Amino acid sequence: KAGVTQTPRYLIKTRGQQVTLSCSPISGHRSVSWYQQTPGQGLQFLFEYFSETQRNKGNFPGRFSGRQFSNSRSEMNVSTLELGDSALYLCASKPGPGDTGELFFGEGSRLTVL
Amino acid sequence: GENVEQHPSTLSVQEGDSAVIKCTYSDSASNYFPWYKQELGKRPQLIIDIRSNVGEKKDQRIAVTLNKTAKHFSLHITETQPEDSAVYFCAASKGTGANNLFFGTGTRLTVIP
Repeated sequence: KAGVTQTPRYLIKTRGQQVTLSCSPISGHRSVSWYQQTPGQGLQFLFEYFSETQRNKGNFPGRFSGRQFSNSRSEMNVSTLELGDSALYLCASKPGPGDTGELFFGEGSRLTVL
Repeated sequence: GENVEQHPSTLSVQEGDSAVIKCTYSDSASNYFPWYKQELGKRPQLIIDIRSNVGEKKDQRIAVTLNKTAKHFSLHITETQPEDSAVYFCAASKGTGANNLFFGTGTRLTVIP
């Protein structure tokens, strides 16, 4: 099985722009979650989707949004980029309710905001 | 919400020695505690997890202990090897299928050959 795939892997944006990141989960996985990883803060939960519905949301401003499509692929969007948004954005998938709990992470999208 | 604290932030050990990483959590309702290992430039991967109905779990050289009363859990790595060098993250969540893991800030473990 192919693993979790994230695109793009690297991108550079300037302040005020917006960005869209994509995540394709492992085949058969219906739950997708997003995390922001920064050197000082570790991994911080952004949001989680299951069956196209957002089930949980972390403590991030409304500039951060996401969605999930019927094929379980997910996108996250950050509008009005700030310097502090520079981070590695990790997507993770799992089968869904009642699974073992293990998250399968992608390699991440590294965003640099100049 | 849940708050997970992790210590130490960096840890260096000689090859063959043991390494211990400790985490505390704030929400007494948390019942699932995984540990993830992230090698340099790679994705985090689950190495071991424990649920609140057990106090200890072992998998070869890795063990995790949980003290629900004190709300802390620890990762123990014995007979460390250079390939154990990585960043380790503890996490906590509620529910069997919860996806919103609350992670600690990570421990960079260096095993010196």
